[in-house]
Amino acid sequence: LAKTTQPISMDSYEGQEVNITCSHNNIATNDYITWYQQFPSQGPRFIIQGYKTKVTNEVASLFIPADRKSSTLSLPRVSLSDTAVYYCLVVAPSGSARQLTFGSGTQLTVLP
Amino acid sequence: DGGITQSPKYLFRKEGQNVTLSCEQNLNHDAMYWYRQDPGQGLRLIYYSQIVNDFQKGDIAEGYSVSREKKESFPLTVTSAQKNPTAFYLCASSSGGGRAYEQYFGPGTRLTVT
Repeated sequence: LAKTTQPISMDSYEGQEVNITCSHNNIATNDYITWYQQFPSQGPRFIIQGYKTKVTNEVASLFIPADRKSSTLSLPRVSLSDTAVYYCLVVAPSGSARQLTFGSGTQLTVLP
Repeated sequence: DGGITQSPKYLFRKEGQNVTLSCEQNLNHDAMYWYRQDPGQGLRLIYYSQIVNDFQKGDIAEGYSVSREKKESFPLTVTSAQKNPTAFYLCASSSGGGRAYEQYFGPGTRLTVT
């Protein structure tokens, strides 16, 4: 089971780039790395997923080193509305029940 | 608009009563999931279903039951056997073909049992 470890909280200022790192030492060959964002009293929102190297979409970038034992979510030029909890998950395509547990995540607070 | 609907948004019940939470999706997704979230905590999987008429227990299935008679619907019943039912309940879905890592969530139902 690829358990993930993330910082509990991070602070940043508006306009800065934020990097949140997730450790997943026991990732399996067919596992994907996926990140979600959650605002208070709302369901999580899928942000990005990747398998290796770098993935970029309109919201974020995901950097995955060759050994895949960690990953970094990069949010460019954050704003106050990016204040949220960010979850890192490692999930096989079939999604076994043991993988579909969101840990406590990283509380990102963006300051003015 | 395509999406996932959960109703009601807030639900209050007396201890000892069963209660059913609704979850409907019009995304044509094969897989559906139920999670529980307690204050300040992450999400824990209760049940999931990868196809109609089939479902599997998650980490905390005790005291809950589900059914999956239609592709669009995955209701969750919180029974009186659930010792601490007060929580925020989230339903999600994902498309078939092995994309469990990309789930779409509903707005959630906040259940309070007194």
